[in-house]
Amino acid sequence: SQTIHQWPATLVQPVGSPLSLECTVEGTSNPNLYWYRQAAGRGLQLLFYSVGIGQISSEVPQNLSASRPQDRQFILSSKKLLLSDSGFYLCAWSFYRGSQETQYFGPGTRLLVL
Amino acid sequence: LAKTTQPISMDSYEGQEVNITCSHNNIATNDYITWYQQFPSQGPRFIIQGYKTKVTNEVASLFIPADRKSSTLSLPRVSLSDTAVYYCLVGGISSGSARQLTFGSGTQLTVLP
Repeated sequence: SQTIHQWPATLVQPVGSPLSLECTVEGTSNPNLYWYRQAAGRGLQLLFYSVGIGQISSEVPQNLSASRPQDRQFILSSKKLLLSDSGFYLCAWSFYRGSQETQYFGPGTRLLVL
Repeated sequence: LAKTTQPISMDSYEGQEVNITCSHNNIATNDYITWYQQFPSQGPRFIIQGYKTKVTNEVASLFIPADRKSSTLSLPRVSLSDTAVYYCLVGGISSGSARQLTFGSGTQLTVLP
């Protein structure tokens, strides 16, 4: 069966510090990978998605970047965090059956920027 | 993008059937409808997915009318542990580089004893 891991689970960082969040998927190959952000009490906002190694698409302009150095590894980064980067970050992977895509989410990383 | 609209909150009692409706008036031909359940500080959990008519699994049913402009998640005989936020996701594969994925704002379901 497939599993998705995210770490760290929680993170408190000062404004202006760098960020690196990691997501890995087990039990599948060549998955589509996604990064979402969820502000407190809000819905999910798609940040980045990747259909393969080195292939990253950004949905919204922001202070963050993403990379996919390996097939089942997806990294979310920032060079200098802003207060507005605080939130709950979720990684997801998906598979296809024909044109039908199903996404499965990881446990999330709660980031607090002070 | 297919914008989605859900009720902000709903209350129910244990043992009742709960129906949560999501509106997606400009759903595209290739879009599927997916529902997720989310507990505080956890990632969303997949519940059910469908394209048209009715889909049923061991935890829920999904009703989609012929025009596909809305969908209804039906939870039979809810319990206190079903208290959570429920999200409707409409999306599908697009031919371009941008992915067409839209999450609804979520419905907070509170099950009362």
